[in-house]
Amino acid sequence: RKEVEQDPGPFNVPEGATVAFNCTYSNSASQSFFWYRQDCRKEPKLLMSVYSSGNEDGRFTAQLNRASQYISLLIRDSKLSDSATYLCVVNKGFKTIFGAGTRLFVKA
Amino acid sequence: DTAVSQTPKYLVTQMGNDKSIKCEQNLGHDTMYWYKQDSKKFLKIMFSYNNKELIINETVPNRFSPKSPDKAHLNLHINSLELGDSAVYFCASSQVSGAVMNTEAFFGQGTRLTVV
Repeated sequence: RKEVEQDPGPFNVPEGATVAFNCTYSNSASQSFFWYRQDCRKEPKLLMSVYSSGNEDGRFTAQLNRASQYISLLIRDSKLSDSATYLCVVNKGFKTIFGAGTRLFVKA
Repeated sequence: DTAVSQTPKYLVTQMGNDKSIKCEQNLGHDTMYWYKQDSKKFLKIMFSYNNKELIINETVPNRFSPKSPDKAHLNLHINSLELGDSAVYFCASSQVSGAVMNTEAFFGQGTRLTVV
Protein backbone atom coordinates (compact mmCIF):
# COMPACT_ATOMS: atom_id res chain seq x y z
CA ARG A 1 0.00 0.00 0.00
CA LYS A 2 1.34 3.44 -0.88
CA GLU A 3 2.01 5.77 2.01
CA VAL A 4 -0.18 8.49 0.49
CA GLU A 5 -2.89 7.62 -2.01
CA GLN A 6 -4.92 9.97 -4.13
CA ASP A 7 -7.53 9.63 -6.82
CA PRO A 8 -5.38 10.21 -9.93
CA GLY A 9 -8.14 11.82 -11.98
CA PRO A 10 -8.07 13.60 -14.29
CA PHE A 11 -11.04 15.66 -13.25
CA ASN A 12 -12.54 17.63 -16.14
CA VAL A 13 -14.97 20.26 -14.86
CA PRO A 14 -16.62 23.39 -16.25
CA GLU A 15 -15.88 26.81 -14.84
CA GLY A 16 -17.95 27.46 -11.75
CA ALA A 17 -18.14 23.82 -10.72
CA THR A 18 -17.36 22.48 -7.28
CA VAL A 19 -14.80 19.69 -7.20
CA ALA A 20 -13.55 17.53 -4.33
CA PHE A 21 -10.28 15.63 -4.03
CA ASN A 22 -9.62 12.86 -1.56
CA CYS A 23 -6.47 11.43 -0.08
CA THR A 24 -5.67 8.67 2.40
CA TYR A 25 -2.45 8.02 4.28
CA SER A 26 -1.14 4.86 5.87
CA ASN A 27 1.01 6.08 8.77
CA SER A 28 -1.21 6.87 11.74
CA ALA A 29 1.72 8.66 13.40
CA SER A 30 1.80 11.32 10.67
CA GLN A 31 1.97 14.77 12.16
CA SER A 32 1.26 17.46 9.61
CA PHE A 33 -0.70 17.62 6.41
CA PHE A 34 -0.77 19.88 3.39
CA TRP A 35 -2.15 20.36 -0.08
CA TYR A 36 0.30 21.51 -2.72
CA ARG A 37 -0.35 22.63 -6.25
CA GLN A 38 1.94 21.89 -9.19
CA ASP A 39 1.55 23.57 -12.55
CA CYS A 40 2.91 21.92 -15.67
CA ARG A 41 6.72 21.92 -15.75
CA LYS A 42 6.88 23.94 -12.52
CA GLU A 43 7.81 23.18 -8.94
CA PRO A 44 5.18 22.27 -6.33
CA LYS A 45 3.93 25.15 -4.19
CA LEU A 46 1.98 25.14 -0.96
CA LEU A 47 -1.75 25.65 -1.41
CA MET A 48 -2.78 25.24 2.20
CA SER A 49 -2.09 23.40 5.42
CA VAL A 50 -4.73 20.98 6.68
CA TYR A 51 -6.04 20.84 10.24
CA SER A 52 -8.44 18.54 12.05
CA SER A 53 -10.74 21.46 12.69
CA GLY A 54 -10.92 22.12 8.96
CA ASN A 55 -9.73 25.28 7.34
CA GLU A 56 -10.83 27.51 4.54
CA ASP A 57 -8.95 29.88 2.28
CA GLY A 58 -11.29 31.68 -0.10
CA ARG A 59 -12.74 29.09 -2.47
CA PHE A 60 -10.63 26.29 -0.99
CA THR A 61 -11.59 24.17 2.01
CA ALA A 62 -9.39 21.44 3.47
CA GLN A 63 -10.37 18.82 6.00
CA LEU A 64 -8.47 16.20 7.97
CA ASN A 65 -9.99 13.13 9.59
CA ARG A 66 -7.28 11.53 11.72
CA ALA A 67 -9.43 8.57 12.74
CA SER A 68 -10.00 7.60 9.12
CA GLN A 69 -6.58 8.84 7.98
CA TYR A 70 -8.31 10.83 5.30
CA ILE A 71 -7.68 14.31 3.87
CA SER A 72 -9.90 16.25 1.52
CA LEU A 73 -9.78 19.40 -0.57
CA LEU A 74 -12.87 21.15 -1.87
CA ILE A 75 -12.66 23.81 -4.57
CA ARG A 76 -15.75 25.93 -5.11
CA ASP A 77 -16.53 28.08 -8.13
CA SER A 78 -13.66 26.62 -10.19
CA LYS A 79 -11.65 29.01 -12.34
CA LEU A 80 -9.66 28.26 -15.45
CA SER A 81 -6.55 29.16 -13.45
CA ASP A 82 -7.26 26.30 -11.02
CA SER A 83 -6.15 23.83 -13.70
CA ALA A 84 -3.14 22.07 -12.19
CA THR A 85 -2.10 18.94 -10.33
CA TYR A 86 -3.05 18.88 -6.65
CA LEU A 87 -0.70 16.97 -4.38
CA CYS A 88 -1.67 15.59 -0.99
CA VAL A 89 1.31 15.82 1.37
CA VAL A 90 1.86 14.08 4.69
CA ASN A 91 4.74 14.72 7.03
CA LYS A 92 6.27 12.91 9.96
CA GLY A 93 9.43 14.48 11.26
CA PHE A 94 12.01 14.77 8.55
CA LYS A 95 10.06 12.70 6.08
CA THR A 96 7.61 14.47 3.80
CA ILE A 97 5.68 12.19 1.48
CA PHE A 98 3.81 13.39 -1.57
CA GLY A 99 0.84 11.65 -3.14
CA ALA A 100 0.94 11.01 -6.86
CA GLY A 101 -1.33 13.98 -7.46
CA THR A 102 -4.77 14.58 -8.91
CA ARG A 103 -4.93 16.36 -12.23
CA LEU A 104 -7.64 19.02 -12.61
CA PHE A 105 -8.73 20.55 -15.90
CA VAL A 106 -11.18 23.43 -15.69
CA LYS A 107 -12.74 24.30 -19.04
CA ALA A 108 -14.64 27.35 -20.21
CA ASP B 1 15.49 36.87 -4.34
CA THR B 2 15.18 33.19 -5.09
CA ALA B 3 14.47 31.22 -1.92
CA VAL B 4 15.68 27.83 -3.21
CA SER B 5 17.88 27.83 -6.27
CA GLN B 6 19.24 24.83 -8.07
CA THR B 7 21.53 24.56 -11.05
CA PRO B 8 21.57 23.62 -13.79
CA LYS B 9 17.95 23.85 -14.95
CA TYR B 10 18.55 21.42 -17.80
CA LEU B 11 21.15 18.67 -18.06
CA VAL B 12 21.60 16.37 -21.04
CA THR B 13 24.33 13.78 -20.76
CA GLN B 14 25.39 10.38 -21.97
CA MET B 15 25.05 7.11 -20.12
CA GLY B 16 27.98 6.36 -17.88
CA ASN B 17 28.86 9.98 -17.19
CA ASP B 18 29.08 11.56 -13.73
CA LYS B 19 27.15 14.79 -13.07
CA SER B 20 26.30 17.10 -10.18
CA ILE B 21 23.31 19.26 -9.36
CA LYS B 22 23.73 22.12 -6.90
CA CYS B 23 21.14 23.51 -4.51
CA GLU B 24 21.19 26.51 -2.20
CA GLN B 25 18.53 28.01 0.05
CA ASN B 26 18.56 31.45 1.65
CA LEU B 27 15.61 30.86 3.98
CA GLY B 28 17.62 29.86 7.01
CA HIS B 29 15.95 26.44 7.06
CA ASP B 30 17.61 23.53 8.83
CA THR B 31 16.23 20.78 6.62
CA MET B 32 16.82 20.16 2.94
CA TYR B 33 15.60 17.46 0.59
CA TRP B 34 16.09 15.93 -2.80
CA TYR B 35 13.06 14.62 -4.68
CA LYS B 36 12.83 12.80 -8.00
CA GLN B 37 9.82 13.28 -10.27
CA ASP B 38 9.64 10.67 -12.99
CA SER B 39 7.77 10.63 -16.27
CA LYS B 40 4.58 9.58 -14.48
CA LYS B 41 4.87 12.78 -12.42
CA PHE B 42 5.22 10.90 -9.13
CA LEU B 43 7.30 12.99 -6.71
CA LYS B 44 9.42 10.64 -4.60
CA ILE B 45 11.66 11.62 -1.72
CA MET B 46 15.30 10.58 -2.10
CA PHE B 47 17.19 12.22 0.75
CA SER B 48 16.54 14.43 3.74
CA TYR B 49 19.27 16.37 5.54
CA ASN B 50 18.99 18.24 8.80
CA ASN B 51 21.80 20.60 9.81
CA LYS B 52 24.15 18.94 7.30
CA GLU B 53 23.37 15.48 8.65
CA LEU B 54 21.75 12.75 6.54
CA ILE B 55 18.44 11.82 8.13
CA ILE B 56 16.65 9.91 5.39
CA ASN B 57 17.95 7.84 2.49
CA GLU B 58 15.02 6.25 0.71
CA THR B 59 16.84 3.21 -0.72
CA VAL B 60 18.42 5.29 -3.41
CA PRO B 61 21.21 3.54 -5.37
CA ASN B 62 24.63 4.43 -4.02
CA ARG B 63 25.46 5.99 -7.39
CA PHE B 64 23.61 8.97 -5.91
CA SER B 65 25.67 10.78 -3.29
CA PRO B 66 24.32 13.90 -1.63
CA LYS B 67 26.70 16.32 0.04
CA SER B 68 25.85 19.13 2.42
CA PRO B 69 28.83 21.41 3.07
CA ASP B 70 26.65 23.63 5.25
CA LYS B 71 22.98 23.78 6.10
CA ALA B 72 22.25 26.19 3.24
CA HIS B 73 23.57 23.84 0.56
CA LEU B 74 22.68 20.34 -0.51
CA ASN B 75 24.31 19.08 -3.69
CA LEU B 76 23.60 15.85 -5.51
CA HIS B 77 26.29 13.93 -7.35
CA ILE B 78 25.34 11.07 -9.62
CA ASN B 79 27.88 8.52 -10.86
CA SER B 80 27.59 6.25 -13.88
CA LEU B 81 24.34 7.73 -15.12
CA GLU B 82 21.74 5.32 -16.48
CA LEU B 83 18.79 5.87 -18.82
CA GLY B 84 16.40 5.32 -15.91
CA ASP B 85 17.88 8.29 -14.08
CA SER B 86 16.15 10.62 -16.56
CA ALA B 87 13.70 12.67 -14.51
CA VAL B 88 13.19 16.06 -12.93
CA TYR B 89 15.10 16.44 -9.67
CA PHE B 90 13.77 18.93 -7.14
CA CYS B 91 15.62 20.35 -4.19
CA ALA B 92 13.51 21.65 -1.30
CA SER B 93 13.91 23.07 2.17
CA SER B 94 11.70 23.46 5.22
CA GLN B 95 11.94 24.22 8.89
CA VAL B 96 11.50 21.20 11.13
CA SER B 97 11.35 21.81 14.85
CA GLY B 98 10.61 19.20 17.45
CA ALA B 99 10.70 16.72 14.57
CA VAL B 100 7.57 18.30 13.08
CA MET B 101 7.56 20.14 9.79
CA ASN B 102 5.59 23.18 10.74
CA THR B 103 6.21 25.35 7.75
CA GLU B 104 5.81 24.75 4.08
CA ALA B 105 8.52 23.14 2.00
CA PHE B 106 9.93 25.50 -0.61
CA PHE B 107 11.08 23.93 -3.84
CA GLY B 108 13.70 24.88 -6.36
CA GLN B 109 12.60 25.15 -9.98
CA GLY B 110 13.86 21.65 -10.74
CA THR B 111 16.64 20.17 -12.85
CA ARG B 112 15.46 18.26 -15.90
CA LEU B 113 18.00 15.49 -16.39
CA THR B 114 18.02 13.58 -19.66
CA VAL B 115 20.35 10.64 -20.05
CA VAL B 116 20.91 9.53 -23.65
